[in-house]
Amino acid sequence: NAGVTQTPKFQVLKTGQSMTLQCAQDMNHEYMSWYRQDPGMGLRLIHYSVGAGITDQGEVPNGYNVSRSTTEDFPLRLLSAAPSQTSVYFCASRGPTGYYGYTFGSGTRLTVV
Amino acid sequence: AQSVSQHNHHVILSEAASLELGCNYSYGGTVNLFWYVQYPGQHLQLLLKYFSGDPLVKGIKGFEAEFIKSKFSFNLRKPSVQWSDTAEYFCAVNPSGAGSYQLTFGKGTKLSVIP
Repeated sequence: NAGVTQTPKFQVLKTGQSMTLQCAQDMNHEYMSWYRQDPGMGLRLIHYSVGAGITDQGEVPNGYNVSRSTTEDFPLRLLSAAPSQTSVYFCASRGPTGYYGYTFGSGTRLTVV
Repeated sequence: AQSVSQHNHHVILSEAASLELGCNYSYGGTVNLFWYVQYPGQHLQLLLKYFSGDPLVKGIKGFEAEFIKSKFSFNLRKPSVQWSDTAEYFCAVNPSGAGSYQLTFGKGTKLSVIP
């Protein structure tokens, strides 16, 4: 089924560990983005990309790295996890006009202990 | 940069009551507007969107929203809610025009419908 696939769905990390959250889409969307969702804060943009090789920071980029080597994949890396990064992470993609809206993945629930 | 304000943090209604959730945005140019819904434990799903034309837009599950440009508002309405509408609702804005991709969300409104 076409859409945005995120893995893993759940993850527990110890403080200081690193990990990569995976995001893949098969709709040939040029725009991909990562959000974090925290209670009472809505969704906040971490990083985004408008095409392979092009990335930029969103509202809350500190502690996260991204790269975009292909159109399909947009992984999010936590270099040294902190308890403040405990959150639900969503990946989203969009086509060139946005007319059909943004498609969201099912999310990754990350707990840092 | 754009911003979105949702007026209510938590709304509690009885089944069959009417719903209106407020959303105001701040941005100096033209925008595309969205309402997303998130059912418990699930990801975001698009309810409806406004790009241009008729300011009254209809979405899925009987929801509608009205764009009032002079008030920078995009309120969500439903004449009669059901228990299955219990969810969190997010208003979002994206500046329109080529190369404008960023989607900015409000903080969300949690709706609880009592049977």
